[in-house]
Amino acid sequence: DAGVIQSPRHEVTEMGQEVTLRCKPISGHNSLFWYRQTMMRGLELLIYFNNNVPIDDSGMPEDRFSAKMPNASFSTLKIQPSEPRDSAVYFCASNPGQGVEQYFGPGTRLTVT
Amino acid sequence: AQSVTQLGSHVSVSEGALVLLRCNYSSSVPPYLFWYVQYPNQGLQLLLKYTSAATLVKGINGFEAEFKKSETSFHLTKPSAHMSDAAEYFCAVSERRALTFGSGTRLQVQP
Repeated sequence: DAGVIQSPRHEVTEMGQEVTLRCKPISGHNSLFWYRQTMMRGLELLIYFNNNVPIDDSGMPEDRFSAKMPNASFSTLKIQPSEPRDSAVYFCASNPGQGVEQYFGPGTRLTVT
Repeated sequence: AQSVTQLGSHVSVSEGALVLLRCNYSSSVPPYLFWYVQYPNQGLQLLLKYTSAATLVKGINGFEAEFKKSETSFHLTKPSAHMSDAAEYFCAVSERRALTFGSGTRLQVQP
């Protein structure tokens, strides 16, 4: 199995630009999670989907952030417009059910200048 | 609501010494508990998990953790540290699907 795939691995953009992060979960996993990691705030859950439906988006920082999961094998996290404080590593994770460990992708390191 | 507290943001041990990383949790229902490890510039990798079976859980790389309900703790231990254990370790709790992570403990191993 290829594991959770994220792209791009690194993204450098200017303030005000739109950023789209992509995730392909492990095949057969029906839950997908987006996390953000920063030095100041640690690992934060942004949003998670179950069977492609957003279940909890209370961690999404503000309206500039949006996430979609159009099918079971693809999800996007979009930031529009981006700001320097959005600079972080964004992780995607998936799991096949409740109480089961999550499998993390390698992350996307986002730098907004 | 669930929460996790990791005592000590940095722990330094000598190679060959005991590793003890502390984790206390708060949960309104019997929890699922996890330890993850993160090496520099990498994603999180599962070390071990507790899912209400045995209270002493063995994981990869010689790590183990003991679930103590009376103390609401799930401390991570390894009898003998190796240089390759240097990394950041996260304790996490799950009541349903999402994980709540602790703030992490960076383990340094001195030669």
